[in-house]
Amino acid sequence: SQTIHQWPATLVQPVGSPLSLECTVEGTSNPNLYWYRQAAGRGLQLLFYSVGIGQISSEVPQNLSASRPQDRQFILSSKKLLLSDSGFYLCAWIPGDRPSYNSPLHFGNGTRLTVT
Amino acid sequence: DAKTTQPNSMESNEEEPVHLPCNHSTISGTDYIHWYRQLPSQGPEYVIHGLTSNVNNRMASLAIAEDRKSSTLILHRATLRDAAVYYCILRDVGTGGFKTIFGAGTRLFVKA
Repeated sequence: SQTIHQWPATLVQPVGSPLSLECTVEGTSNPNLYWYRQAAGRGLQLLFYSVGIGQISSEVPQNLSASRPQDRQFILSSKKLLLSDSGFYLCAWIPGDRPSYNSPLHFGNGTRLTVT
Repeated sequence: DAKTTQPNSMESNEEEPVHLPCNHSTISGTDYIHWYRQLPSQGPEYVIHGLTSNVNNRMASLAIAEDRKSSTLILHRATLRDAAVYYCILRDVGTGGFKTIFGAGTRLFVKA
């Protein structure tokens, strides 16, 4: 079966520290992968999406970056965290072997990041 | 990207039907309508989607207006576990649906 793993579940980091969040998908090949962020009480903001290894599209210019070193691995990074980076970070995927417009997004359980 | 408009919040009584509206007046012919819901402290989960015809599944029904400029998610009997934020989004065939943008959604409150 297909599953998505996100870790860690919670993270508290000081301002200026680096960040690395990892997401992996199992049971599928060549998925489309997404990173979203949700600030407290707000909707979901699309940060990055990827349609293949090394292919990253950025939606919001900021101090975050994403990488896809392997087919089913998606990493969100920052060199120096800001207070405004606090939020709920969600990874999601769509099967790559079907039209994505007609496929449900599958979300991970998210990482709650607090920057202090 | 075509936008959707939803009420900020709605309230329902337990075991009564709930109709959650969504306006998408700039929808294109190739946009699919998707609905998701997000329970507290969880990632969103898929509910239902459709293109032109009404759709039913075990979770809900989706009624799409004939001109496709609006749609309604129908929960046939609300339970306390249905209290969540419901998102209506459009997925475009033209861009492959890659850029899936979520709005603010509707927060549904269910009263016992």
